[in-house]
Amino acid sequence: IAGITQAPTSQILAAGRRMTLRCTQDMRHNAMYWYRQDLGLGLRLIHYSNTAGTTGKGEVPDGYSVSRANTDDFPLTLASAVPSQTSVYFCASSPGTGDTDTQYFGPGTRLTVL
Amino acid sequence: GQNIDQPTEMTATEGAIVQINCTYQTSGFNGLFWYQQHAGEAPTFLSYNVLDGLEEKGRFSSFLSRSKGYSYLLLKELQMKDSASYLCAVRDSNYQLIWGAGTKLIIKP
Repeated sequence: IAGITQAPTSQILAAGRRMTLRCTQDMRHNAMYWYRQDLGLGLRLIHYSNTAGTTGKGEVPDGYSVSRANTDDFPLTLASAVPSQTSVYFCASSPGTGDTDTQYFGPGTRLTVL
Repeated sequence: GQNIDQPTEMTATEGAIVQINCTYQTSGFNGLFWYQQHAGEAPTFLSYNVLDGLEEKGRFSSFLSRSKGYSYLLLKELQMKDSASYLCAVRDSNYQLIWGAGTKLIIKP
């Protein structure tokens, strides 16, 4: 059982290019999340999905889009990358969205936009 | 606005005890989480508090006071492998996690 996998592990991208970060979980969790982590800042929520077929905007959604066609996959797309999107991106999942539902994190994707 | 405050960095000695504090101001409260994150790795779940008091789990304990908007993580019998960042997060009224910037804990022999 892998838990949550993310791809790629790291990527250097030219500004203006389109990029999709992949996230797959095999725990049959209903909820999935995308965060970015920048030095000196807490994890910031980009987009989330409480269940397959639904998505919502987090704290910093601009420049990013997501889809949730099935339970397992939750890709994050940067339509036209900018240098301020240089960050470490973590995908997470949780069984549901209740009080005690713990989020489990993937290994992260380190993205550099030049 | 919503705010989670933690010290940026702390240093402790192997075998000792350290307490990492977290204060929060959020729109609603539906639980507080502590995560551990080693450098270059993903955060991993440590503890969850929703009621006031102390939750003990082996060498790690977490305390919550909802009236004071305050929590702490207590690490006992420190080991070198405890060198990591410790993240405090609060689940708000929208059931989203609001995260502190993390406390980097350095353990010295």
